Amino acid sequence: GNSVTQMEGPVTLSEEAFLTINCTYTATGYPSLFWYVQYPGEGLQLLLKATKADDKGSNKGFEATYRKETTSFHLEKGSVQVSDSAVYFCALISSGNTGKLIFGQGTTLQVKP
Amino acid sequence: IAGITQAPTSQILAAGRRMTLRCTQDMRHNAMYWYRQDLGLGLRLIHYSNTAGTTGKGEVPDGYSVSRANTDDFPLTLASAVPSQTSVYFCASSPGDRGGYTFGSGTRLTVV
Repeated sequence: GNSVTQMEGPVTLSEEAFLTINCTYTATGYPSLFWYVQYPGEGLQLLLKATKADDKGSNKGFEATYRKETTSFHLEKGSVQVSDSAVYFCALISSGNTGKLIFGQGTTLQVKP
Repeated sequence: IAGITQAPTSQILAAGRRMTLRCTQDMRHNAMYWYRQDLGLGLRLIHYSNTAGTTGKGEVPDGYSVSRANTDDFPLTLASAVPSQTSVYFCASSPGDRGGYTFGSGTRLTVV
C-alpha cells in the first residue's frame, strides 16, 4: 500500500544551521508529494509541493526535489531561524487514491538561538 | 478570510456521551476530510467525502460517523465517546485536483 516514512525527531539545530529532513515514500503510479508545517497550537499549512519526477518545490527558503529513482522528497533549508521551529509532515496523494492525503509521522524541529 | 472553521476549539467529554464536531468551509471545495492527530502516529484519516451527498471510510473509522448534506459542512459525530478517542481532530478540504489540502485549526477533544 501507499506509505510515507520520515526521519525520527526531534531535530535540534542552532540558528543559521543547514536543515535536512529525510522523507521516502511507497506508492503506486506517480504520486503528488507535499510538505506541510504545523506551528505550535495551530493547524497544518502547506509548505511546498511537487507533482512529477524531478520537480523542485520551494517556499520560504525551504526546498524539496521529487526523486523517483530513490522514492524520496527530502526537505532542505540553507539557514534555519528560530521561527522555523515546528513539526514538519511529508505527505503524498497517490495517482490512484482519489485525492486522499497520506502523512508521515511528522518530524519536530527545534531551532535554538 | 476564506478557509475552514472548526468548532469547538476544545472540549472535555464524559465517556459514553454523544458529541458532534463541526466543520465548515467557504472555498466551495468538493472534497472534505477528517483526521485525528496523535503523538507518534501522525495524522490518520477517519472519514472523507469526495462530493456533497457521498462519504467514505478512512483508515480509522470505527466509532465515528459523518454526513455531507451540502458542499460547505462536514460534521463528525462520536456516537458514544471512549477515552481512546482523546485526540486532536482536524478537518480539511481540497478542490480534488491533487493540489493539496486546506486545514482547519483543530478541535482538541479529551474523553474522561
